[in-house]
Amino acid sequence: QVQLVQSGAEVKRPGSSVKVSCKSSGDTFSTYALNWLRQAPGQGLEWLGGILPIFGTPKYPQNFQGRVTITADESTNTAYMEMTSLRSEDTAVYFCARVNVRLSLLRGFDSWGQGTLVTVSS
Amino acid sequence: DIQITQSPSSLSASVGDRVTITCQASQDIRNFLNWYQQKPGQAPRLLIYDASNLQTGVPSRFSGSGSGTDFTFAISSLQPEDIATYYCQQYDNIPPGLTFGGGTKVEIK
Repeated sequence: QVQLVQSGAEVKRPGSSVKVSCKSSGDTFSTYALNWLRQAPGQGLEWLGGILPIFGTPKYPQNFQGRVTITADESTNTAYMEMTSLRSEDTAVYFCARVNVRLSLLRGFDSWGQGTLVTVSS
Repeated sequence: DIQITQSPSSLSASVGDRVTITCQASQDIRNFLNWYQQKPGQAPRLLIYDASNLQTGVPSRFSGSGSGTDFTFAISSLQPEDIATYYCQQYDNIPPGLTFGGGTKVEIK
């Protein structure tokens, strides 16, 4: 199974931005979608968007459109999620997760990164 | 947006009991529903995909059923290692959308 390794914890001020990386092992990076999700402390899971690297066009839910940018670098097998205009409610663990079927943006997520804690505090 | 209602929010059962969790979608989602297990401090683990397919490596005591708007997840014989929070997740690709149920915390009685 593929391994996803995320960048380390971040502490950010309100109004700033954060960029989290997710490096994938193996040689199937381009044809499996990578999605980003988050989980606030003690809360459920929320989808932030995803990208199928071979096509390159990310998709976002409406409530994160314009504030989240997802990119993928096929030369390094790394996906990125950048979130701007951070507020305290964005404090959460951010996960990248890979879809279990080739060439499908959304399906089941069978491989997950270890999570990156982003803390937004003044 | 499609809403998913998961119930119960928590349950307590004895080792060996059959446990069931339900998810109801606000509209027909065919079989586009998955189930996950999450233990504290860990990422979720995919157990069931497309409503009823057991993910590779997952014990056969876990199962899923349903289609349309009503779905059920079951553990046929609860084991101590099954203590976790379970989530259902619906998805669609046209247009892209994905939401999770609120979760069910499973504890041993």
